[in-house]
Amino acid sequence: DAKTTQPPSMDCAEGRAANLPCNHSTISGNEYVYWYRQIHSQGPQYIIHGLKNNETNEMASLIITEDRKSSTLILPHATLRDTAVYYCIVRVAFGLTGANSKLTFGKGITLSVRP
Amino acid sequence: NAGVTQTPKFRVLKTGQSMTLLCAQDMNHEYMYWYRQDPGMGLRLIHYSVGEGTTAKGEVPDGYNVSRLKKQNFLLGLESAAPSQTSVYFCASSYTRLAGGRYNEQFFGPGTRLTVL
Repeated sequence: DAKTTQPPSMDCAEGRAANLPCNHSTISGNEYVYWYRQIHSQGPQYIIHGLKNNETNEMASLIITEDRKSSTLILPHATLRDTAVYYCIVRVAFGLTGANSKLTFGKGITLSVRP
Repeated sequence: NAGVTQTPKFRVLKTGQSMTLLCAQDMNHEYMYWYRQDPGMGLRLIHYSVGEGTTAKGEVPDGYNVSRLKKQNFLLGLESAAPSQTSVYFCASSYTRLAGGRYNEQFFGPGTRLTVL
């Protein structure tokens, strides 16, 4: 899996957009970008994933640069409940079997949403 | 759908005691996983299963056993608990054959906080 780099922390005001960056300069052509988050004391939660096109779902938007070396997760209207550690993970979509299918979480970025 | 559920939520054991953690999923997923999470260590894979009746070792399997007698359940056992097994345990499950990257979307349970004294 390609390595990802995220800043350790950031904060934003409630109601504003939170833009969480991730660098993945060694990403391969068949690797997707996934975002998960972990709210304190809860299990990790899938947010969104993408290959090269921008993606949007009910939780967030994912913007992937044209060269695919970086991406940004956007929470359009952050709430206090969005305070969590957000993990950017890059990995292939197919062909993973056995233990290779496990997720590897780095340190992530801690997002603090302030009132 | 309840998703992935884990029981119990909390447990305190004495060294040498045994216990079983239960994970259940109602999404008909083939793959199931047991991870442990310790401060500063991230998630580490203990054991996993690629289908009913099959299990395999992950990164840190020592001191644990697992069973998957039914597709929807994945049990994690500690035969003789040790203080080093104090941790938060997460179960997860995933698809295996969906296209478009959904293959790697894992669904996690709420976790079990285990303390071994």
